[in-house]
Amino acid sequence: GQQLNQSPQSMFIQEGEDVSMNCTSSSIFNTWLWYKQDPGEGPVLLIALYKAGELTSNGRLTAQFGITRKDSFLNISASIPSDVGIYFCAGPLISNFGNEKLTFGTGTRLTIIP
Amino acid sequence: EAQVTQNPRYLITVTGKKLTVTCSQNMNHEYMSWYRQDPGLGLRQIYYSMNVEVTDKGDVPEGYKVSRKEKRNFPLILESPSPNQTSLYFCASRFLPDRGLGYTFGSGTRLTVV
Repeated sequence: GQQLNQSPQSMFIQEGEDVSMNCTSSSIFNTWLWYKQDPGEGPVLLIALYKAGELTSNGRLTAQFGITRKDSFLNISASIPSDVGIYFCAGPLISNFGNEKLTFGTGTRLTIIP
Repeated sequence: EAQVTQNPRYLITVTGKKLTVTCSQNMNHEYMSWYRQDPGLGLRQIYYSMNVEVTDKGDVPEGYKVSRKEKRNFPLILESPSPNQTSLYFCASRFLPDRGLGYTFGSGTRLTVV
């Protein structure tokens, strides 16, 4: 099935640094979503993007919907310890039978070095 | 509290011994889905259900079964588990019209098949 490619796979940063990650697809998406997964928990929605070129913020997080509609970017400014976790991009795909399936990226694991 | 509840959280079993992972939601959501999460692969959809008695395969359905006899419950059944089904499993639900939004995930079930 369709897969979204995220990079980098993992990041090791110091507290206070800014973080950038991206997600690319061979298919066009009409919606891009960014989720965060804390250790031992399920993914939680951070930001949703609905229009090509759209830039949306949620606190220290900013995400952009790429103009080609085949990519998206997530930035975290001034990272703090609670930012640790795995970040997933996701996009809904509609199957021939009308099923909307949420397709997830491969994930970016963020670790903060003390 | 609105939530998706999975049980058990952790399970170690032997090859070939049938098991069921339960999923229950209290939000009256029509749509429910099972995902498995493996390192480097993100989350992949196993099965989904758009309503009671309506289920269909996702991207990786081999070796799994589901049923949807009631709106709130969507159990995942492994008739004859094998080691390659060792994974972290998530159940998710949403209202059917909420395309791309409103997915609530359970806390996950970590399954080990030896």
